[in-house]
Amino acid sequence: EAQVTQNPRYLITVTGKKLTVTCSQNMNHEYMSWYRQDPGLGLRQIYYSMNVEVTDKGDVPEGYKVSRKEKRNFPLILESPSPNQTSLYFCASSPHVSESSYNEQFFGPGTRLTVL
Amino acid sequence: AQKITQTQPGMFVQEKEAVTLDCTYDTSDQSYGLFWYKQPSSGEMIFLIYQGSYDEQNATEGRYSLNFQKARKSANLVISASQLGDSAMYFCASDQTGANNLFFGTGTRLTVIP
Repeated sequence: EAQVTQNPRYLITVTGKKLTVTCSQNMNHEYMSWYRQDPGLGLRQIYYSMNVEVTDKGDVPEGYKVSRKEKRNFPLILESPSPNQTSLYFCASSPHVSESSYNEQFFGPGTRLTVL
Repeated sequence: AQKITQTQPGMFVQEKEAVTLDCTYDTSDQSYGLFWYKQPSSGEMIFLIYQGSYDEQNATEGRYSLNFQKARKSANLVISASQLGDSAMYFCASDQTGANNLFFGTGTRLTVIP
């Protein structure tokens, strides 16, 4: 089954304790990205990756790191989490960017993170 | 960058009636796409419908249609014959054609009343 998976789905942690949220897709997509969703703000992009070893900042990158060593994986790293990073996080992937067609993004199930 | 505005935080609709969810966008791009996603209470993001800026006809997908008015920069979602399962959060989003970065609105919570 074609899908984007995220782990963990739920996480409660404390301020300053490094954590990683994994994201994996089995559709051989070039493009992957991370969003955070907060009430009243919709989804905002954190980081994205156009392909292996190519990453770039989205709208709200502060406090986050990413890596893209393999095509299928795009982990989100919080080196020193803070309470303002409490949010619902989504990973998404889509095929190669095309000038002539739209690029539907496939979303993972979400990771609900609470930082105390 | 693009800006998406959804001015209706919440909407109610009677079962079997039609409902329109508003979305306006602001972009300087010549070529762009407009998307609607549904987020039920379980949290996942479900793609509903897409409209390209150069598409002359409004997009339709089953009970969903997108009322695209380019001059007014609006891309409203119309859901016909509402069902209880349509109760969810709905997000409008846009991207620049050829790019993958989606810009989302703040969402509209739709409640279908039996």
